[in-house]
Amino acid sequence: EVQLVESGGGLVQPGGSLRISCSASGFIFSGHIMHWVRQAPGKRLEYVSAISATGESTYYADSVKGRFTISRENSKNTVDLQMSSLRSEDAAMYYCVKSQGGTATASGYFDHWGQGALVTVSS
Amino acid sequence: EIVLTQSPGTLSLSPGERATLSCRASQSVSSNYFAWYQHKRGQAPRLLIYGASSRATGIPDRFSGSGSGTDFTLAISRLEPEDFAVYYCQQYGDSPRTFGQGTKVEIK
Repeated sequence: EVQLVESGGGLVQPGGSLRISCSASGFIFSGHIMHWVRQAPGKRLEYVSAISATGESTYYADSVKGRFTISRENSKNTVDLQMSSLRSEDAAMYYCVKSQGGTATASGYFDHWGQGALVTVSS
Repeated sequence: EIVLTQSPGTLSLSPGERATLSCRASQSVSSNYFAWYQHKRGQAPRLLIYGASSRATGIPDRFSGSGSGTDFTLAISRLEPEDFAVYYCQQYGDSPRTFGQGTKVEIK
């Protein structure tokens, strides 16, 4: 059974940093592109970032480019999202997502999601 | 980017009734790279449909997807109590991948 378990969410001040992690199991982690998708309260789902199976290729939404960094450790079946210079608009539930096929930028549907890590940005 | 607009915003129906959810794209979706997801509060979103009309593994056949180009539909033939949730459409053919704003299916 595929499982994606996020951790590391919490409260952070504007301008601060936070690292969230996703631990994966139940599939060959090194063979799949991984993604982060977020949902702010009352807003639609927003695609945030992706990393290729080998980690060589990454994608960032314009809204987080230059502030967020995605990385993965295939030996540990984990994917991380390092978030810095956090803003109030970054407050959201962050979901770790596995895709089937495609590339880091397009194609490939999201076949498994985690339950999310809640990030709150407030002073 | 491709903007997806779902309608209606809320659908109030009774168990056993048919639900029809729509999603319109601001431009044609590449290769029918189109998906539907079900999301219940506190749970992980679940893939229902990919490729516009293919059911994901384990999804009951009361769920069906159709459409192409800019207009897509998710139909639930007979609503079961567990089907009351929020449904999102997504296009994954063009970058960035985008989602609709969601349709809430609630018990009437």
